[in-house]
Amino acid sequence: DSGVTQTPKHLITATGQRVTLRCSPRSGDLSVYWYQQSLDQGLQFLIQYYNGEERAKGNILERFSAQQFPDLHSELNLSSLELGDSALYFCASSAVQGLGEKLFFGSGTQLSVL
Amino acid sequence: GNSVTQMEGPVTLSEEAFLTINCTYTATGYPSLFWYVQYPGEGLQLLLKATKADDKGSNKGFEATYRKETTSFHLEKGSVQVSDSAVYFCALSGYSGGGADGLTFGKGTHLIIQP
Repeated sequence: DSGVTQTPKHLITATGQRVTLRCSPRSGDLSVYWYQQSLDQGLQFLIQYYNGEERAKGNILERFSAQQFPDLHSELNLSSLELGDSALYFCASSAVQGLGEKLFFGSGTQLSVL
Repeated sequence: GNSVTQMEGPVTLSEEAFLTINCTYTATGYPSLFWYVQYPGEGLQLLLKATKADDKGSNKGFEATYRKETTSFHLEKGSVQVSDSAVYFCALSGYSGGGADGLTFGKGTHLIIQP
């Protein structure tokens, strides 16, 4: 058990809808990262937060947004969903910011857009 | 920008065979290098890492050496077991998208070990 909790584990929704994925980092970890995993694109970095502030953006679409709350949990909001958004979304956390830091991953949320 | 290339899978081996999964990278500066493993239905977990050139990371019988001259970090194990069946990801620290602290991952190599 990595200590990172993601909910829900599975989500099935329709095109055009909006969903929210939730992540609770390991106790004490200040950094939260969101990744999208799909068969064709592999594991793509979406966005990182550190202690409530956005730290870096990767391949995140404008339809997607995220935030990190004062209690350090994070939410990833996906709107105007398309079939191509179907993927496994991972959250990871680390203790500090700094290159080379070990990431702890949650088990992921499997999103299916029908 | 940063990128990681690893061999496509699936790689199918018999139990006790020797394993090599190739990984090469492109990066600015001096990144740290990692191998992560993903077992079915689970998130990724760190297998081993190396933080500078010529460092060897090792864990659970797996090894990888940071080769700056060939920009490689190949994963090896002398004798694989059925329980090693998983997807293996090579990664490097930093992301070319601008100052991130996260990791840039390869696409993953699915390893299947047959008894």
